[in-house]
Amino acid sequence: DTEVTQTPKHLVMGMTNKKSLKCEQHMGHRAMYWYKQKAKKPPELMFVYSYEKLSINESVPSRFSPECPNSSLLNLHLHALQPEDSALYLCASSQGRLAGGQSAQYFGPGTRLLVL
Amino acid sequence: AQKVTQAQTEISVVEKEDVTLDCVYETRDTTYYLFWYKQPPSGELVFLIRRNSFDEQNEISGRYSWNFQKSTSSFNFTITASQVVDSAVYFCALSIPNRDDKIIFGKGTRLHILP
Repeated sequence: DTEVTQTPKHLVMGMTNKKSLKCEQHMGHRAMYWYKQKAKKPPELMFVYSYEKLSINESVPSRFSPECPNSSLLNLHLHALQPEDSALYLCASSQGRLAGGQSAQYFGPGTRLLVL
Repeated sequence: AQKVTQAQTEISVVEKEDVTLDCVYETRDTTYYLFWYKQPPSGELVFLIRRNSFDEQNEISGRYSWNFQKSTSSFNFTITASQVVDSAVYFCALSIPNRDDKIIFGKGTRLHILP
């Protein structure tokens, strides 16, 4: 069983809606990530939080807004999305770079998002 | 620049056959980490293995084994006596420590195990 949980599992939203994706990890990890994955493609990194601070933003459009309320939680706020934003959104966590090397990232089950 | 190449887009084998998934990586760094992830149809990426660049020992875990060869920049993954539950997309990935928190994924190999 994964120790990274994501809610909701599925989300359908219109282009004018505001919604949020939630991620929670219980492994004491200090780095958390958002990825976007389109069908038959590898995951694409969107954001990285390290010690609750945003460390990487991969030039993601402002209609995606990440938030890290504490070391265990990661949110992705969605507003005015486009149909091309429909994808699987994956959250991951890791011990980060300070753990004596590059630790593995552990992924949640993802949220399948459909924008109409 | 770093790059991971998984030349096999899709593989189909009959159950109980052995299958090897190829992974070739590129980096000029001497310290790096390699990973394999499995993504079943449910969507979750499952971590399988991490290997650092200084450890070329092959690893076996049950029916899974990994062959790391720095001379050919390859980190291949073999499933012995494949089972239908092994059907998934498998991603090989590379990361460079002390640079950022990114891992670079290959494009993945879709594996079909036929009953």
